[in-house]
Amino acid sequence: KAGVTQTPRYLIKTRGQQVTLSCSPISGHRSVSWYQQTPGQGLQFLFEYFSETQRNKGNFPGRFSGRHFSNSRSEMNVSTLELGDSALYLCASSSGTVNEKLFFGSGTQLSVL
Amino acid sequence: GNSVTQMEGPVTLSEEAFLTINCTYTATGYPSLFWYVQYPGEGLQLLLKATKADDKGSNKGFEATYRKETTSFHLEKGSVQVSDSAVYFCALSRYSGGGADGLTFGKGTHLIIQP
Repeated sequence: KAGVTQTPRYLIKTRGQQVTLSCSPISGHRSVSWYQQTPGQGLQFLFEYFSETQRNKGNFPGRFSGRHFSNSRSEMNVSTLELGDSALYLCASSSGTVNEKLFFGSGTQLSVL
Repeated sequence: GNSVTQMEGPVTLSEEAFLTINCTYTATGYPSLFWYVQYPGEGLQLLLKATKADDKGSNKGFEATYRKETTSFHLEKGSVQVSDSAVYFCALSRYSGGGADGLTFGKGTHLIIQP
């Protein structure tokens, strides 16, 4: 069974641009969560989607948004990039029930210059 | 709000040494507690969890006990190996799976085991 797949693995952008990251969950999983990992702030929850609907959202500005498709694939978009958005972005999937464990992807390393 | 505090390290030990990584938390209610491990270049993997007071989670020789009276969930292993070198994250969630409304993580502890 394939794991959580995130693409691309590395990305370089400049300030002011926008970026879209992609996540393919484990087959059959209906929930996708996104996290931001930085050396200063650590791991922070961005948002969680279940069956194409955002169920929960962390404390991030509106520049951070997501989408969840009927095939359970998810995208995360960051608009008007800032230097501080440089981070490892991790995607995690689960079956969707609140007591099921999360499976994390290897992440997309975003560098903003 | 919820928060998790853990020693950040790096923690450097010799092979076969005893390991303790401290973790304390602040949360409303009765959260579930987790330890995740991140190996270089990989995503997070669930190492163990405990869902109620006095529960002990264990996996691969690692153990942690949910202590509500001290709001702690310290990670221990009796004899570490070089392959245990990784970053370890303590986390909490309202739910035992950790999904839904997200995990609150500590900053992570970088563990280095020398042969």
